[in-house]
Amino acid sequence: DVQMTQSPSSLSASVGDRVSITCRASQSISVYLNWYQQRPGKAPKLLIYAASSLQSGVPSRFSGSGSGTDFTLTITSLQPEDFATYYCQQTYSSPLFTFGPGTKVDIK
Amino acid sequence: EVQLVESGGGLVQPGRALRLSCKTSGFSFGAYTLTWVRQAPGKGLECVAFIRREAYGGTTEYAASVKGRFTISRDDSKSIAYLQMNSLKIEDTAVYYCTRVTRGTYGADFFDYWGQGTLVSVSS
Repeated sequence: DVQMTQSPSSLSASVGDRVSITCRASQSISVYLNWYQQRPGKAPKLLIYAASSLQSGVPSRFSGSGSGTDFTLTITSLQPEDFATYYCQQTYSSPLFTFGPGTKVDIK
Repeated sequence: EVQLVESGGGLVQPGRALRLSCKTSGFSFGAYTLTWVRQAPGKGLECVAFIRREAYGGTTEYAASVKGRFTISRDDSKSIAYLQMNSLKIEDTAVYYCTRVTRGTYGADFFDYWGQGTLVSVSS
């Protein structure tokens, strides 16, 4: 099974900050990596698929990069609505695609 | 507008059964794979069941934690997916989300639409 890790597990940031979250897979997963945002009490929302493709309707301040085992989600100029938990997910090893443990972004 | 609406959650005693439903609209249901993803209170996300579209045989897969107890099914004529949960355990307590799986470029899958979730609480 492919195991996913994320770092940091939590971070504090201010509105306007640039934030980066890292996701690492236990083996190479090519670009089969997605990122989701989950606000409290809400369902997760797809932000990035295939490592770097922006989902329709998602603001361009979100971007993804990486391939193989190491991936990054970057948020430029953090907005108030971006304070949430972010999860990566691998879809290389099908079909029960595993998620990372999450990174909580809160207000400094 | 694509919509997925879960129902059927509630409080149930250990060892009992529950059936969740995921009623969908706004897309060609039969053309998509569906999954159930759960989230225990304060925890992360776990895919528990997966059903391919009929064109791919409608085959199913389960997480080890639920295999033999949960059954996923679909009724393409009604655009509804189900999750039959038997022999429920306390550790099955979670919000259960129904999600649509889309295959994009390079064959990469992603979960592009999610329901609002339904809470299953297993307690004596």
